[in-house]
Amino acid sequence: QKEVEQNSGPLSVPEGAIASLNCTYSDRGSQSFFWYRQYSGKSPELIMFIYSNGDKEDGRFTAQLNKASQYVSLLIRDSQPSDSATYLCAVNIPSARQLTFGSGTQLTVLP
Amino acid sequence: NAGVMQNPRHLVRRRGQEARLRCSPMKGHSHVYWYRQLPEEGLKFMVYLQKENIIDESGMPKERFSAEFPKEGPSILRIQQVVRGDSAAYFCASSTGQGILYEQFFGPGTRLTVL
Repeated sequence: QKEVEQNSGPLSVPEGAIASLNCTYSDRGSQSFFWYRQYSGKSPELIMFIYSNGDKEDGRFTAQLNKASQYVSLLIRDSQPSDSATYLCAVNIPSARQLTFGSGTQLTVLP
Repeated sequence: NAGVMQNPRHLVRRRGQEARLRCSPMKGHSHVYWYRQLPEEGLKFMVYLQKENIIDESGMPKERFSAEFPKEGPSILRIQQVVRGDSAAYFCASSTGQGILYEQFFGPGTRLTVL
């Protein structure tokens, strides 16, 4: 089992819809969780982080964390074509000293 | 520009040559991480350094690859005798420290092409 798993997609949603991106992790001791956005040919850009169970909202983005079920999700409301990118989930796994990344989910928002 | 800086942005090498990639962390950051991203794949951790110390190199290939972060100057990722399989984007990230609250910020990357 991979330490951090994401559906590779591609995930397509129409403009204005809610995009839901999911990530599961294997180490129950993980404590911090990050979502990065990566446009094609560009570097990852941090968009959200979450440490506590529940929801964290920042503009059109909501991160959800459920430690009991070992998943973290990212919701993008009112999706825009400019949101089309690959979204990377990263987890701070205690046994490692660095972030462990999922393989990313490619999101396409259709105009 | 207070962000993470990497150079060169693009590097072309022939098989057998050496590649040197440089990374200057954000101001105030003393922790540097190197990642490699192959086409259509996710980020793979390579090495984590603090000034003058390699903290974790568990993701670094045992041969041909080395990294340093001297007291003065940028962090260097060095690849000796490059092969075609080394062609990838190499990203550097930096953070203020280690712990559950740290966030890593990425540089623009160096795209290495081995001919």
